[in-house]
Amino acid sequence: AQKITQTQPGMFVQEKEAVTLDCTYDTSDPSYGLFWYKQPSSGEMIFLIYQGSYDQQNATEGRYSLNFQKARKSANLVISASQLGDSAMYFCAIRSYNTDKLIFGTGTRLQVFP
Amino acid sequence: KAGVTQTPRYLIKTRGQQVTLSCSPISGHRSVSWYQQTPGQGLQFLFEYFSETQRNKGNFPGRFSGRQFSNSRSEMNVSTLELGDSALYLCASSYTGGRNNEQFFGPGTRLTVL
Repeated sequence: AQKITQTQPGMFVQEKEAVTLDCTYDTSDPSYGLFWYKQPSSGEMIFLIYQGSYDQQNATEGRYSLNFQKARKSANLVISASQLGDSAMYFCAIRSYNTDKLIFGTGTRLQVFP
Repeated sequence: KAGVTQTPRYLIKTRGQQVTLSCSPISGHRSVSWYQQTPGQGLQFLFEYFSETQRNKGNFPGRFSGRQFSNSRSEMNVSTLELGDSALYLCASSYTGGRNNEQFFGPGTRLTVL
């Protein structure tokens, strides 16, 4: 069975500062993918970044980077230069390679203040 | 390229009724997954379809069912609605399903059961 743990229910960050959202996972699958999604109040899930279990380098997508520590089973999301529009729920998810089934964490609500 | 569309966006039903939700994936995507999101249980996987076949199923009662058509459009049906079925139902599509294929989510259908 797979599990995602997000221990931060809420985070505050000032505009233009960097913030790290924590995610740890548990899986017995040798191959898997880790995802981060953003969910604004409108409800739509927006894909942010992906990290494959065999990827040697940490993934980056613009202001988003993933701090992947495989031995510690953590996949923290780093948002640099926060913007007011980054205020949303952020979900970490895991998926095995032979399926599209995503297992989500409970999410972290990020609030960016001026 | 049009994104994932879900209809209807909002729905109000009463206990005991049944409901059908529709999801149209991105053109060319063959995999469709459904998720239920509630404040109490978070995001939970319902089922996954690939090429008209159910490939994976979550831990939901048999009242929840789905299908996929030859054009990859998918429907999910909930029979004998209960108050606890009130939720945001999200649909996601991907190109082939599996590996690192990103899943694109639709805006969701918000179901309220009275």
